[in-house]
Amino acid sequence: DVKVTQSSRYLVKRTGEKVFLECVQDMDHENMFWYRQDPGLGLRLIYFSYDVKMKEKGDIPEGYSVSREKKERFSLILESASTNQTSMYLCASSLNRRGGNTIYFGEGSWLTVV
Amino acid sequence: EDQVTQSPEALRLQEGESSSLNCSYTVSGLRGLFWYRQDPGKGPEFLFTLYSAGEEKEKERLKATLTKKESFLHITAPKPEDSATYLCAVLKAAGNKLTFGGGTRVLVKP
Repeated sequence: DVKVTQSSRYLVKRTGEKVFLECVQDMDHENMFWYRQDPGLGLRLIYFSYDVKMKEKGDIPEGYSVSREKKERFSLILESASTNQTSMYLCASSLNRRGGNTIYFGEGSWLTVV
Repeated sequence: EDQVTQSPEALRLQEGESSSLNCSYTVSGLRGLFWYRQDPGKGPEFLFTLYSAGEEKEKERLKATLTKKESFLHITAPKPEDSATYLCAVLKAAGNKLTFGGGTRVLVKP
């Protein structure tokens, strides 16, 4: 079974703090994604990566950055957390760039910025 | 602009009362349509992928179908454990990004 693991399930951070959300997948997938999910807005793509050290902006990249130094690991970084970044963050992965492959999700990280 | 619309937003069913969820989409070049189930506080769990009009897939009490403009998720004789939010998403030919609908919250009462 595909396993996408998000290291932190629940975090509370202060406004202005730097926040790291970590994600690891164990199926040698090329593609990795970060989404956020908010009531009434659904899932929105923040960033994605096709390969190590590669990244592309999704639909809502402002206020976020990402890092992919190893194939299995994709980190989401909030350089200076703000209250409007309080949300559920979902990491996902899929097999390869040619697409059509199933995208598998992690359990989610609930971030509260106070 | 790509759009995915799910209806209804919420559905209350009695146990055993079959029903259907709708996912209508407008996207240039569909590569695949995905259905996920999401329980409260958890990540989406993959259910089905449909690739072409006329395709159908089944899993236990769930059956997904696809036409050129919409997909249906049929729930036959649902049980309380089928209560969840069901998400539909499309993957278009160019790129590798899923576009999600807003979801349908299903509550099955015993």
